[in-house]
This record gives sequence, structure tokens and C-alpha cells, in this order.
Amino acid sequence: EDKVVQSPLSLVVHEGDTVTLNCSYEVTNFRSLLWYKQEKKAPTFLFMLTSSGIEKKSGRLSSILDKKELSSILNITATQTGDSAIYLCAAGGTSYGKLTFGQGTILTVHP
Amino acid sequence: DAGITQSPRHKVTETGTPVTLRCHQTENHRYMYWYRQDPGHGLRLIHYSYGVKDTDKGEVSDGYSVSRSKTEDFLLTLESATSSQTSVYFCAIGIQGGVEPQHFGDGTRLSIL
Repeated sequence: EDKVVQSPLSLVVHEGDTVTLNCSYEVTNFRSLLWYKQEKKAPTFLFMLTSSGIEKKSGRLSSILDKKELSSILNITATQTGDSAIYLCAAGGTSYGKLTFGQGTILTVHP
Repeated sequence: DAGITQSPRHKVTETGTPVTLRCHQTENHRYMYWYRQDPGHGLRLIHYSYGVKDTDKGEVSDGYSVSRSKTEDFLLTLESATSSQTSVYFCAIGIQGGVEPQHFGDGTRLSIL
């Protein structure tokens, strides 16, 4: 059975702090690791990491895939209140693009 | 934003009644997925479709059925709703299974009393 585990489950920080969110996965025929941000409605896509792209960066957010350790991290530097959200990690295999999601990390950024 | 519309956005119904949720896309994507989201569980796959009339079960499919008669529409049916099916339901679409990211609709909040 495919499995994705995220840690921590919740995190409270102050503006300007740097945070690291963790994700470990066990997925048959692994193909991709995805990060999503969820505020009030739909999860919105952040990054997709694969064997051919193990590091991605966009502004203050960056993510790395460690294929040896079967894990990924999402870093957010200089956090802002607008970063408050649930961050979801998902791993997919080669079967029809199905994703297995972790429980999510609830990030709260205080002013 | 991906052209995905879920309807209804909110629904309250009683145990034992049938419920159908609709996902409509304007992107002409081949793959469509239904997830439910519950506290502490993240998103869990209910059913998915890889083409018109081609569907299969996900990890939490008991009590749910789906149909896809057109590329743009993917219906999720609860034949006889139970309180354990109270949840937020998300539809997602994908271009190529696993090669491109899935994009999500805004969800349907379903309460079963």
C-alpha cells in the first residue's frame, strides 16, 4: 500500500522565520513528488519533483527531492502571514497519475 | 486557473438519500479524479477516470460510484448516504497521468445528518 507521511502536522511561527516541512513516501513505481498549498478552497500546485528535476525554487519557496531517502522537504524563507495555509505533499507512481497524499502540515504565521 | 467547476458547492442531506456530485471541466483533459478530505487524513482518492467510460476504484471507494459519459463531466454518486460520508469532496483533472500535476476544483462540502 502506498504511503506518504508529513511532519510536523502543525507549525506556528512569526513573520520572517524560515520553516522546513518534511515529507516521506513509499510509492510503487515512483514517478513524481508534488507539493500543494491549500488556503480556503482548492489545493493549488506549487512544485513537482521527479527523477529529472530534484530541486525547484520559486521566490521564497524551494523544494528538494532525496530519492535515496525517499523524502522531500519544502523550505519557506522570510515567512509572511500570507503563507499561512495547509501544505500538502503527494507522491505518484506510473499508474494513471494517481496520487497518494500525506496528512498535510498546517502552517500558521503570526505577524 | 484550470477550468474546473464542481456542483453543488454545499449540500446538506439525510442519511439514506442518494446524492450526486458533479465535476465539469473545460480543459479537455483525459484524467479526472474524485478525492475526499477529512481532518487528519489529507486527501484520499475515491475513484478516477482515464477516459470516457473508463473508471476505476481508489483507496476509499466503498459506498461510492462514478460515471463518465463525456470527457468534460465526471459524476460521483453516493447511492445511500451515511454520516461517515460527511466530508469535503474535491475533483481534480490531469493531462497525462503522473507526468503533469493535477489541478483541483473548489470542492463540495457535503453534510449528511
